[in-house]
Amino acid sequence: AQTVTQSQPEMSVQEAETVTLSCTYDTSESDYYLFWYKQPPSRQMILVIRQEAYKQQNATENRFSVNFQKAAKSFSLKISDSQLGDAAMYFCAFRLGTSYGKLTFGQGTILTVHP
Amino acid sequence: NAGVTQTPKFRILKIGQSMTLQCTQDMNHNYMYWYRQDPGMGLKLIYYSVGAGITDKGEVPNGYNVSRSTTEDFPLRLELAAPSQTSVYFCASRNDRNGYTFGSGTRLTVV
Repeated sequence: AQTVTQSQPEMSVQEAETVTLSCTYDTSESDYYLFWYKQPPSRQMILVIRQEAYKQQNATENRFSVNFQKAAKSFSLKISDSQLGDAAMYFCAFRLGTSYGKLTFGQGTILTVHP
Repeated sequence: NAGVTQTPKFRILKIGQSMTLQCTQDMNHNYMYWYRQDPGMGLKLIYYSVGAGITDKGEVPNGYNVSRSTTEDFPLRLELAAPSQTSVYFCASRNDRNGYTFGSGTRLTVV
């Protein structure tokens, strides 16, 4: 079974600064996808960024980027120029390429942004 | 498009009662999922469906049942509610290009 671990229950950052959220995963498969989701107090699950395992290039979406280290099974999220609206719970998630789209989630990291 | 619609948004059940959580999507997605999120934890898969008439168990299926008679609807049935089923329940759907859409969740409390 695949597992996803987020070792940082809580993180904080000053507005306009950069923060990195950690995620590690365990799988013996080579075809998989990784995701970061944001969950604000509204409970809505919002896709932040997605990475295909076969792509060596790290995904980026505006102020959000990932550091995908396939050999180390690490998938960290970097948020640059943090904004107050970035405050939320962040989940790392994993799915196998052949798993009918079933997602496995980490425990989450609560991000606080200080003005 | 409404996306994924879940009803109700909140519900309090007494131990032993039953209820159905409704989930409807209007995007013609084949894949649908039910997750539960316990306080301070990540989401865990309860059941999933790859198309009308096809369902299968996820990681935590005990105490739940599902059906998928149409592409649009994927209701989750709780029989004999227990306090351990107090959680927030999310329904989600997916298209073939890995685009997931989540509902806004149902907060269920069993007392």
